[in-house]
Amino acid sequence: DTGVSQNPRHKITKRGQNVTFRCDPISEHNRLYWYRQTLGQGPEFLTYFQNEAQLEKSRLLSDRFSAERPKGSFSTLEIQRTEQGDSAMYLCASSLGQGYHEQYFGPGTRLTVT
Amino acid sequence: GQQLNQSPQSMFIQEGEDVSMNCTSSSIFNTWLWYKQDPGEGPVLLIALYKAGELTSNGRLTAQFGITRKDSFLNISASIPSDVGIYFCAGQGGSARQLTFGSGTQLTVLP
Repeated sequence: DTGVSQNPRHKITKRGQNVTFRCDPISEHNRLYWYRQTLGQGPEFLTYFQNEAQLEKSRLLSDRFSAERPKGSFSTLEIQRTEQGDSAMYLCASSLGQGYHEQYFGPGTRLTVT
Repeated sequence: GQQLNQSPQSMFIQEGEDVSMNCTSSSIFNTWLWYKQDPGEGPVLLIALYKAGELTSNGRLTAQFGITRKDSFLNISASIPSDVGIYFCAGQGGSARQLTFGSGTQLTVLP
């Protein structure tokens, strides 16, 4: 399977704990995006990378959120001191870049903060 | 910021019927994309549109990029049970690389 993969698929954590999610994009794609989706809504943009450079961050990305893409391949999204409002589906997408705006999504990580 | 209005919010149709949904934006977009999402899964790309006025088909799906660049529609012909799901429009505009999504159309196909 050469699509976008995300791990874990589900995460249940207690409020105040830190969590980290991983995304592996399609191998030749140099752009990687993180989105958050809550029930009944469309995905909302969080941040995006071109290769290893984080080029844009949304206002939704509070100081408790950090994302990395150390070698321009996989990416991690960390949430520190989780809050109940962080409960959502976290989606990763990748695109080829260079004028191709089609973004391909992974299956998502469902986070539940209790 | 950019906002997308997607309608209808939900649709109940009989198997075999055609269905149409649309999105309108307060701003101009350079690219329109349509996705389908099943419960617990990520969105799956259906159609991408890059030019104003462009009409593109993918099997029973047809989508158009509006002339004003502020709207798009998706048609599904001869619906089948596996068409059930949530359909999202998404737009990309200006120098932004991220997508702005509509709030989705929940499609139910009745046998």
